[in-house]
This record gives sequence, structure tokens and C-alpha cells, in this order.
Amino acid sequence: DTGVSQDPRHKITKRGQNVTFRCDPISEHNRLYWYRQTLGQGPEFLTYFQNEAQLEKSRLLSDRFSAERPKGSFSTLEIQRTEQGDSAMYLCASSLAAGANEKLFFGSGTQLSVL
Amino acid sequence: DQQVKQNSPSLSVQEGRISILNCDYTNSMFDYFLWYKKYPAEGPTFLISISSIKDKNEDGRFTVFLNKSAKHLSLHIVPSQPGDSAVYFCAARGFTGGGNKLTFGTGTQLKVEL
Repeated sequence: DTGVSQDPRHKITKRGQNVTFRCDPISEHNRLYWYRQTLGQGPEFLTYFQNEAQLEKSRLLSDRFSAERPKGSFSTLEIQRTEQGDSAMYLCASSLAAGANEKLFFGSGTQLSVL
Repeated sequence: DQQVKQNSPSLSVQEGRISILNCDYTNSMFDYFLWYKKYPAEGPTFLISISSIKDKNEDGRFTVFLNKSAKHLSLHIVPSQPGDSAVYFCAARGFTGGGNKLTFGTGTQLKVEL
């Protein structure tokens, strides 16, 4: 399977704990995106990387959130001191930058539940 | 501030008939529109897209129409099949010179009945 892979699929944590998610994009893709989806809403942009450079961050991304893509391949999203409002599906997507026709390929997501 | 709106949370259609999913947007800077389909426990999958310089794009059973003056787009599925039952998200992009930051609507749950 050469699609976008996310790990873990599900994470249950207690409020105040730190969590880290991993995303492995499609191998030749140079762009990697993180989105968050809550119940009844569409995915919301959080941040994106081109290769290892983080080029844009949403104002949704508080300072408790940090994302890295150290070698321009896989990426991690860490949430420190989790809050119940962080409960959501965290989606990763990758693409090969191609101008107007750029298409995002999404992983299956990590479902986070903060108790 | 919901820049992309899908006002119908659900739609039920009989197999073989046409499904029409609607989407409205408010930001005139959006230059590219996409539809994604999402099955339970899976990520969204790209379906079809349209540039703002066009008013129609067709791919097999799927056609997207864009009415820029009304800031409205629609997805037509003909004929509808049971496997089309999924949540459909409309998304829009405002090109800012880098990245493909998409703004999604809230989705429409399509159910195609036998």
C-alpha cells in the first residue's frame, strides 16, 4: 500500500497528557498537510510543509501544538497538555506540488479522545 | 466565518436517479474548487475539481458545475449507485502563491437506496 499512512488510528488520553501522531506521506510527495476534523464539520487546515520547511500555520494551531518534518519525509504532530477540546480526527495529507492541479491525498486519520 | 457552506446535511436518492449536491461560497478569491468523498473510518478521497475559469467539468458519472456570479457550485452524480453512499465535502482554494490550503464545507451525507 503506497497511500498516506497515519499512526495510531485511535488514541485515548487523559487531559493534561502529551500525545504525538505520525504521518508517512506518499513517498515522492514533497508537500505534507495536517488537518483537524471535529464532529459535523469539514476538515480544517492546521499547517503544511514543503519538504522539511513548515511554510504556514493556522491560527487554530495554538502553542501547545507543534509539527515537524525533519527529513522531508514523515511528519509528527505533538499536542502538549491536551484539553478536551482537542478531541478530533487529525488528518494528514500529502501532495506533489503541481500548481493549480495539485491534489491532496489523505490518510485515514488519527482519532483523538481526551478524557 | 463559514466561507464554504453545504446547507443540506443529508440527501437520500434512489439508485439510478440523479444526485445533486450543492455548495455555496462567500470568498471571491477562491480560484479552484474540489469535491471529496469520505467513507466511515477513512480519509477524504478526491473526486473531481473545477477551476474558476470554467463552468463545467465532467468525469464519468460525475459532473461539477460552477456559477461564479452566484458563488455556487454543484456536483451531479448520474446514475447514482449504492456505492456512492458517503459524505461529500465541497472544498475551495484561494491561491496565495504556495500550498494548497483548502477550506472545506461541513459535508453532505448521501444515501443511495435500492
